[in-house]
Amino acid sequence: QSALTQPHSVSGSPGQSVTISCTGTSSDVGGYNYVSWYQEHPGKAPKLMIYDVSRRPSGVPDRFSGSKSGNTASLTISGLQAEDEADYFCCSYAGSPYVFGTGTKVTVL
Amino acid sequence: QVQLVQSGAEVKKPGASVKVSCKPSDYFFTTYLIHWVRQAPGQGLEWMGAINPSGGATVYPQKFQGRVTVTRDTSTSTVYMELSSLISDDTAVYYCAREYGATNYFDYWGQGTLVTVSS
Repeated sequence: QSALTQPHSVSGSPGQSVTISCTGTSSDVGGYNYVSWYQEHPGKAPKLMIYDVSRRPSGVPDRFSGSKSGNTASLTISGLQAEDEADYFCCSYAGSPYVFGTGTKVTVL
Repeated sequence: QVQLVQSGAEVKKPGASVKVSCKPSDYFFTTYLIHWVRQAPGQGLEWMGAINPSGGATVYPQKFQGRVTVTRDTSTSTVYMELSSLISDDTAVYYCAREYGATNYFDYWGQGTLVTVSS
């Protein structure tokens, strides 16, 4: 199972929106509505930000949103804030194995 | 507050094995599946397998079958991940993470355990 493809980095100014794509295949992203997104600050454990493509866990700001079209899922951060600067990984169920994305570094300019 | 507390960093020689522990707290041990995920330096996350602490059933991806063993000790509410025949490419931070039922996402993660494989 190959890793899901994410852009290496995206950046935006405070208050702007950024979108991170996560491209897989019909065997993972396109085949299941089980895409989740994780935020990772250096030296800290990953944090769940989105699950089931577009659901937000309690406590995650509503400026984080998720969507999916075909084999590509997306995470959008609206109203970018300094604390959003981190690495972000997508993950998809793929019928027993789970496959993660290559990771995207979000930089707040 | 939910925590998954992992064992400390390890340094191993090539060919050796390493066993990392994960002790969940603040919830009923058998309620959640425990997964293991690793991250090599500068790389993405990689799923290594999972265990259902209730009955002990495990699942592994093909890449790690035969080299990874995930077990649990219900008397101490601890999950273990053992990786054998270590090579330098196994140098990574190893995380445990929990999943509720078959929800297919990981809502809490351990703090990570750095395993360094070096001669």
